[in-house]
Amino acid sequence: KNQVEQSPQSLIILEGKNCTLQCNYTVSPFSNLRWYKQDTGRGPVSLTIMTFSENTKSNGRYTATLDADTKQSSLHITASQLSDSASYICVVRSLGGGADGLTFGKGTHLIIQP
Amino acid sequence: EAGVTQFPSHSVIEKGQTVTLRCDPISGHDNLYWYRRVMGKEIKFLLHFVKESKQDESGMPNNRFLAERTGGTYSTLKVQPAELEDSGVYFCASSQVYRDLGAYEQYFGPGTRLTVT
Repeated sequence: KNQVEQSPQSLIILEGKNCTLQCNYTVSPFSNLRWYKQDTGRGPVSLTIMTFSENTKSNGRYTATLDADTKQSSLHITASQLSDSASYICVVRSLGGGADGLTFGKGTHLIIQP
Repeated sequence: EAGVTQFPSHSVIEKGQTVTLRCDPISGHDNLYWYRRVMGKEIKFLLHFVKESKQDESGMPNNRFLAERTGGTYSTLKVQPAELEDSGVYFCASSQVYRDLGAYEQYFGPGTRLTVT
């Protein structure tokens, strides 16, 4: 069964600090992995999409890594800002999978405190 | 460019009633998806339209759910009759599909929070 596990479930850090969110998956065959940011009351917004051959991708202060061998990904946020407070969802797509092939994690709820 | 819009943003209905959710995708996006997030759970796929045709509806929980996309533009998701377990946030997303390993962008709407009492 395809699964995506995220940790921690929630995280509180001070503004300006860095943090790293984890995503482990058992989706197979693997197509790509996405990180989404979901603000309260809004829909998820894509931060990065990584395919099998990519092991690092950055989007501003967000850097995602992918280790396809160990089936792990991380999202590193540098110099956090109050606006980074949100849920971060890891989504993995399988090749040729039904149901659009997407398996969602439950997300990490990140709170940035001033 | 307007994003994906959904209406209503919130709906509170009683068990046994009917509710219709609406999604307007980004103009020109042939692909439209419905997802649902039940409290405490992950987002799960419901169905996928390509233009007006249902490409995949394997995620629809049961026959109380009916989705339509007349004319290949906006879509509606009707729940009739609603049950308590139908409560959750219903997201709509749209996309254009590109050829590169399916790494296409999906754009999500803000969701409709449905509460069945």
